Amino acid sequence: SQTIHQWPATLVQPVGSPLSLECTVEGTSNPNLYWYRQAAGRGLQLLFYSVGIGQISSEVPQNLSASRPQDRQFILSSKKLLLSDSGFYLCAWSVGLAGGQETQYFGPGTRLLVL
Amino acid sequence: GESVGLHLPTLSVQEGDNSIINCAYSNSASDYFIWYKQESGKGPQFIIDIRSNMDKRQGQRVTVLLNKTVKHLSLQIAATQPGDSAVYFCAEKEGDGQNFVFGPGTRLSVLP
Repeated sequence: SQTIHQWPATLVQPVGSPLSLECTVEGTSNPNLYWYRQAAGRGLQLLFYSVGIGQISSEVPQNLSASRPQDRQFILSSKKLLLSDSGFYLCAWSVGLAGGQETQYFGPGTRLLVL
Repeated sequence: GESVGLHLPTLSVQEGDNSIINCAYSNSASDYFIWYKQESGKGPQFIIDIRSNMDKRQGQRVTVLLNKTVKHLSLQIAATQPGDSAVYFCAEKEGDGQNFVFGPGTRLSVLP
C-alpha cells in the first residue's frame, strides 16, 4: 500500500531563516506530487506540483521554491522566511489517470510558525 | 476565477442523526469531485469521489450526490458518530488539469 511521509511535523523558525520541508511517498512509482498551504480556518492553496523528476510547476508567486530530486521525493524550500509563510503545509500525491480524474492523497502535514 | 464554496461553515448534529454537508461550485466544466475529511492538526483524508457522469455514489455510511444542473454537491453521513467530528472539504477539478479547487470547509460537530 502507498504511504506518504512529511517532516518535520512542527517547525518554529525566525524571520529571514531558510526552510526545507521534505515529503516522500512509498509504494508507488512516478506519482504526481503537490505542495499545498493551508492558512488557519481556510481552504487549501496549491503552491507547486510536479509530474516527474525535475519538473516543477508553480501556481502562485512567492518566496518559496520546490524541487524533486528523486521520483518519490518532493522538497519545499525558502531562502528567507517571511511572517506570512506561517501555515500548515501539506504534501499530496496522485497517480495520473486518463482524463485527469485522479484522487489526491495527503500527508500528515507540517505546521510552520515563523516568528 | 472559478471557485468552490460551502453553504454552511459549521454544522452541529446529534449523535445518531444523519448529516448533510453541502457544497456549491461555479465551474460548469468540472468533471471530478472529491470529499475530504480533516481532523484537527492532520492532513485531509479522502472520503469519497464522484465523476460528472454520475449523480450519486455510496460508500460506507456516506453518500455523495451531484446535481450538475444547479452545480451542487452534497455529502450525506448516516448515523453520525463522534468520530465524524471534523472539517469536511469539497474539491473539484476540470479535465486533465492538476489544479483542484478546494472550498474553505465545513466544521461538523457531533453532539452527545
